[in-house]
Amino acid sequence: AQSVTQLGSHVSVSEGALVLLRCNYSSSVPPYLFWYVQYPNQGLQLLLKYTTGATLVKGINGFEAEFKKSETSFHLTKPSAHMSDAAEYFCAVSRYTGNQFYFGTGTSLTVIP
Amino acid sequence: NAGVTQTPKFRVLKTGQSMTLLCAQDMNHEYMYWYRQDPGMGLRLIHYSVGEGTTAKGEVPDGYNVSRLKKQNFLLGLESAAPSQTSVYFCASSHLGGGNSNQPQHFGDGTRLSIL
Repeated sequence: AQSVTQLGSHVSVSEGALVLLRCNYSSSVPPYLFWYVQYPNQGLQLLLKYTTGATLVKGINGFEAEFKKSETSFHLTKPSAHMSDAAEYFCAVSRYTGNQFYFGTGTSLTVIP
Repeated sequence: NAGVTQTPKFRVLKTGQSMTLLCAQDMNHEYMYWYRQDPGMGLRLIHYSVGEGTTAKGEVPDGYNVSRLKKQNFLLGLESAAPSQTSVYFCASSHLGGGNSNQPQHFGDGTRLSIL
């Protein structure tokens, strides 16, 4: 069975501060991991993905995530938060059969001016 | 390039009514998916399709039916709507690719459905 846990349903940071959104997964096989962002009244947009190779993955809008197998984690970071980063963020792990995705429950990021 | 298009964007139904949500993708993707999004629960997979003419159940399939008669379209049906089906519904699609677990899914903008 596969599952994804996002610690913290709400995270608030000041503009210019570090953003850290946590994601842990459980998987019986090496996972493929994704981070998506959802702005109000929109669908999900891909931020970044880890499949194989380098464990530090860079995505759009200055975000990056590091795959740590020993910690079963895939935390999302951004060095300096911008007001436009305020959104809902979802971590997901995929399953081989049918490319099914399992999503975490999401983290709502608020950026304080 | 439209990507994934969902119609309608909003709908209000009465309990017991039926309706069909349409998803269309123009990226020639093999796989298509229907999710529902509820507060605090993330996205849950309802049904998915790995190709034209095929469908499979996801995590929460009860009360829904789907059809994939054409590769570019994936329809989600509610035969007898219930208030518990009030949700935001998202369609997604992805390529098969090599090693088919590493292809990102591309999402539509959602359909907001209220059942009274």
